[in-house]
Amino acid sequence: SYVLTQPPSVSVAPGQTARISCGGDNIGNKNVHWYQQKPGQAPLLVIYDDDDRPSGIPERFSGSNSGNTATLTISTVEGGDEADYYCQVWDSSGHVVFGGGTTLTV
Amino acid sequence: EVQLVQSGAEVKKPGESLKISCQASGYRFTSYWIGWVRQKPGRGLEWMGIFYPADSDTRYSPSFQGQVTISVDKSITTAYLEWSSLKASDTAIYYCIRQGGVVRELDYWGQGTLVTVSS
Repeated sequence: SYVLTQPPSVSVAPGQTARISCGGDNIGNKNVHWYQQKPGQAPLLVIYDDDDRPSGIPERFSGSNSGNTATLTISTVEGGDEADYYCQVWDSSGHVVFGGGTTLTV
Repeated sequence: EVQLVQSGAEVKKPGESLKISCQASGYRFTSYWIGWVRQKPGRGLEWMGIFYPADSDTRYSPSFQGQVTISVDKSITTAYLEWSSLKASDTAIYYCIRQGGVVRELDYWGQGTLVTVSS
């Protein structure tokens, strides 16, 4: 089965740029989606199709995907960005696969 | 406005049955896949399966095939997740999700239903 690998944690100072990676075999050939989950809340879609933002998501959130790594980038990080972040793809069997999640600490 | 509103928290004993619900509104119910994601306490997200109301096509994660049943009632735009015999390991928050368009992102999530299974 397809596996997505994320770092367990990323820590950045306020105002800096956070980059969260998501590794998978030839993930560059797949559509990658990213979700933000704050404590006690349901996940929220923040990036879809590698680098598109849903309505209402700040421009500070961006994504890229190439080769074996997809990356979520959060510019000018704020305290309110502290959350768990999950990447997600569909595997060749038509099943959803989530990464293990990354805790962003600001 | 798209909304997925789930039923309330449940406390059950091992071996009991359970059916939780997710009422959808704000969009054409039969045009989008709807499904479920599990999150155990302090753990990550696990996809359980998904259902297409237009033709009742259902896909399950291999991890959940045979363990749960996903269904819908189109007349009340509601999706269900059902267990016939709960186990303590089913204790988790269950999220209802809508699968979006061409690239199949999970674009809307319910608020979650906490299921606690304990003797």
